[in-house]
Amino acid sequence: GENVEQHPSTLSVQEGDSAVIKCTYSDSASNYFPWYKQELGKRPQLIIDIRSNVGEKKDQRIAVTLNKTAKHFSLHITETQPEDSAVYFCAASSSGGGADGLTFGKGTHLIIQP
Amino acid sequence: DGGITQSPKYLFRKEGQNVTLSCEQNLNHDAMYWYRQDPGQGLRLIYYSQIVNDFQKGDIAEGYSVSREKKESFPLTVTSAQKNPTAFYLCATATLVNTEAFFGQGTRLTVV
Repeated sequence: GENVEQHPSTLSVQEGDSAVIKCTYSDSASNYFPWYKQELGKRPQLIIDIRSNVGEKKDQRIAVTLNKTAKHFSLHITETQPEDSAVYFCAASSSGGGADGLTFGKGTHLIIQP
Repeated sequence: DGGITQSPKYLFRKEGQNVTLSCEQNLNHDAMYWYRQDPGQGLRLIYYSQIVNDFQKGDIAEGYSVSREKKESFPLTVTSAQKNPTAFYLCATATLVNTEAFFGQGTRLTVV
C-alpha cells in the first residue's frame, strides 16, 4: 500500500517569513495530493490540492509543488500570519481518484512566532 | 461542516463494551469514510464505502465494524475486540468524481 512521509514534524517561523513542508510518497500510481489544515480540536479542512498532471498550483499565499519523478510534493506558505498556526497534513491517493480513501502523513505543527 | 453530522461529540466507553458512532450526511456524496486520529499521528483509514450495502476495509479495520444501509448514513461500531480504542474519530465524505474529502466535526472516544 501507499506510505506517506512528512517533514518536519514541527516548524517554527517568524511572522512574515515563509514556511515549507515536504512529503514523499511510495506508490507511483498515486495521482491526487491534498493538503489539510487542522486547528486544535477541530476537523481537518482542505487548503489546496494538486493532481499528477500539474507540477505546481498556487492560491494566494499558498502553493503546492509536485515532482512525480522523485515522488515528493511540498506546501509553501508565504508571508505567514498568526492564523496560519495549526497542524498541516499531506495526503496521497493511489486509487486513481481518491475514492478508496487517502493515506496521510503524520502532520507538521506550524508555529508562527510574533 | 455543511452537511456532515457526527454524534456524539464525546463518548466514554467501559472496557468490554461495544459503542456505535454516528455519521450522517446530506451532501448526496456516494463515498463515506471513517478515519482514526491519535495524538501526533496522521489520520488512518478504518473503513470506507462507495455504495449502499457495500464497504471495504481500510488499513486498521480490526476491532471495528460498519454498515451502509442508507446513502446518508455510515455508522461505526467500536467493538470490545479493539484493544486501544481511545482516539479521535473522523467521518468524511466525497463524490466519486471529485476526490476532495469533507470531514465531520469528529467524535472523541475515551475508554474509562
